[in-house]
Amino acid sequence: DAGVIQSPRHEVTEMGQEVTLRCKPISGHDYLFWYRQTMMRGLELLIYFNNNVPIDDSGMPEDRFSAKMPNASFSTLKIQPSEPRDSAVYFCASSYTGGATDTQYFGPGTRLTVL
Amino acid sequence: GENVEQHPSTLSVQEGDSAVIKCTYSDSASNYFPWYKQELGKRPQLIIDIRSNVGEKKDQRIAVTLNKTAKHFSLHITETQPEDSAVYFCAASDNQGGKLIFGQGTELSVKP
Repeated sequence: DAGVIQSPRHEVTEMGQEVTLRCKPISGHDYLFWYRQTMMRGLELLIYFNNNVPIDDSGMPEDRFSAKMPNASFSTLKIQPSEPRDSAVYFCASSYTGGATDTQYFGPGTRLTVL
Repeated sequence: GENVEQHPSTLSVQEGDSAVIKCTYSDSASNYFPWYKQELGKRPQLIIDIRSNVGEKKDQRIAVTLNKTAKHFSLHITETQPEDSAVYFCAASDNQGGKLIFGQGTELSVKP
């Protein structure tokens, strides 16, 4: 398996623009997580899905952020409009809770810079 | 909900020495405790984990201990090497099906 795939790897945009981050989880995994990592706040869970259904979005900072998972192999995190304080590395992770552990496997991340 | 505290935030050791990172958690129902290593510019990667029915687990130079009564768990790295330099995160399962709560991270520096 190729592991968790994220695109783009780097995104530079201007304040006010819409940003869409994409994630393909590991095949067969039933949980998908979106995290944001910054120096100040560390690794924050934004939202997670189970079998494509959003379970907990309490970490989503505000209404400018939205996430969808239309099917088991694809999820998006959208920021509209983007602001400079959204600059961070965004990680997607997936896990399979039917196994012996709940290991989360992280994607390579998307480094977002909002000017 | 679960809260995880991690200490120290930075740790510097000489090559060959041991390093210990400690975490405490608040939810007594938590039952899964993984440790992730994140090298600069890379993704977090699982290095070892432990479940609540086990008190200690070892994998070569890395070990994790768990004290459920005190609600704390620790990562032990022996014979440290420069390539162990990274940020280490502990985490605890929130018992909500797959959700992990992460500690703040420890930046480990191993000096040759």
